[in-house]
Amino acid sequence: DAKTTQPTSMDCAEGRAANLPCNHSTISGNEYVYWYRQIHSQGPQYIIHGLKNNETNEMASLIITEDRKSSTLILPHATLRDTAVYYCIVRVASNSGYALNFGKGTSLLVTP
Amino acid sequence: EAGVAQSPRYKIIEKRQSVAFWCNPISGHATLYWYQQILGQGPKLLIQFQNNGVVDDSQLPKDRFSAERLKGVDSTLKIQPAKLEDSAVYLCASTTSVSVQRSALHFGNGTRLTVT
Repeated sequence: DAKTTQPTSMDCAEGRAANLPCNHSTISGNEYVYWYRQIHSQGPQYIIHGLKNNETNEMASLIITEDRKSSTLILPHATLRDTAVYYCIVRVASNSGYALNFGKGTSLLVTP
Repeated sequence: EAGVAQSPRYKIIEKRQSVAFWCNPISGHATLYWYQQILGQGPKLLIQFQNNGVVDDSQLPKDRFSAERLKGVDSTLKIQPAKLEDSAVYLCASTTSVSVQRSALHFGNGTRLTVT
């Protein structure tokens, strides 16, 4: 699996957009980019994933560069409840299931 | 839908004792995972089941850790004997594995193990 690089920590003011970067310069053509987050004392929670195109759901948007070597997770209007560790992971998906290898992620602090 | 259930929520044992954790995945999820999360680190995969068969246990310390999923539903993870470095949160996750679009992992809230 391709390795990812994320900043250790970031701050964001409540109500503003939080932009979390991830570098995955060794990503292969069939590897997906996944984002999960982990709120304190809870298990990780799926946010979004994508292959080539930008993706949006009710939680966030995922912007993947054209060369696929980096991506950005965007929380459009951050709230205090978005304070969490955010993990960027790249992995090949298959019909036999897959496992995710988590790094240390980015600790996002949303402030009032 | 009901989420992934894990018990107990917390466990404190002395080193060299045994401990077992239980996981009930989301109904219909064929794939089940156990992860270990040491404080300050991301979760690390221990074992992956597809129904009641092991798909990947390459990172499971088999001299002391064991896991089973006998009927392809519930799973237990056991540590015998425990060491101080086993202190961690043990997370269970499940997923359908039909397609990429439905392949999000659903995690339980974990069991926090403290070995003294």
